[in-house]
Amino acid sequence: AQSVTQLGSHVSVSEGALVLLRCNYSSSVPPYLFWYVQYPNQGLQLLLKYTTGATLVKGINGFEAEFKKSETSFHLTKPSAHMSDAAEYFCAVRGHGSSNTGKLIFGQGTTLQVKP
Amino acid sequence: DTAVSQTPKYLVTQMGNDKSIKCEQNLGHDTMYWYKQDSKKFLKIMFSYNNKELIINETVPNRFSPKSPDKAHLNLHINSLELGDSAVYFCASSLGQMNSPLHFGNGTRLTVT
Repeated sequence: AQSVTQLGSHVSVSEGALVLLRCNYSSSVPPYLFWYVQYPNQGLQLLLKYTTGATLVKGINGFEAEFKKSETSFHLTKPSAHMSDAAEYFCAVRGHGSSNTGKLIFGQGTTLQVKP
Repeated sequence: DTAVSQTPKYLVTQMGNDKSIKCEQNLGHDTMYWYKQDSKKFLKIMFSYNNKELIINETVPNRFSPKSPDKAHLNLHINSLELGDSAVYFCASSLGQMNSPLHFGNGTRLTVT
């Protein structure tokens, strides 16, 4: 079975500062990992995904994440926050060939606030 | 535009009523999903269909009944609505492979009074 824990339900940064959103996963099989962003009153938009290969993945809007198997982590970072980055961020996991038949399991979300 | 579209965007109704939410995707995907997002923004899968076949059926009251007339459509019918059904319901679609990301619609905000 898979699960995801996002550390910190609310993160506040100043504009221009580093953004770090933490995600730890649990999976009995090699995971596929995703980060999604949700703006107010909208659906979820894919930021980036890790499937296999390079462990540092780059996504849209300047975000990137690094898969660390030894730490079971997939933290999301951005060097310099913009006001437009303020949103809800979700980490999600899916298992390779798992009996979950494709269930995408979400973390509880992290609200990112960007202060001017 | 290529997208996942769901209607209506807002749905306000009284307890005991029956309502439906419709979803359509034109991305050529073969798998579609319904997720429920509660007031704390937690997302939980409800159902999934692959090529019109139900493959995921989570612990959901049987007042909720999905229907997939074809690969591009997945509707959700809810009978005898209860206050606790108030939430945002998201439709999503993907290719059938495990490494395929889900593409989400903009959600239907259901309010039961």
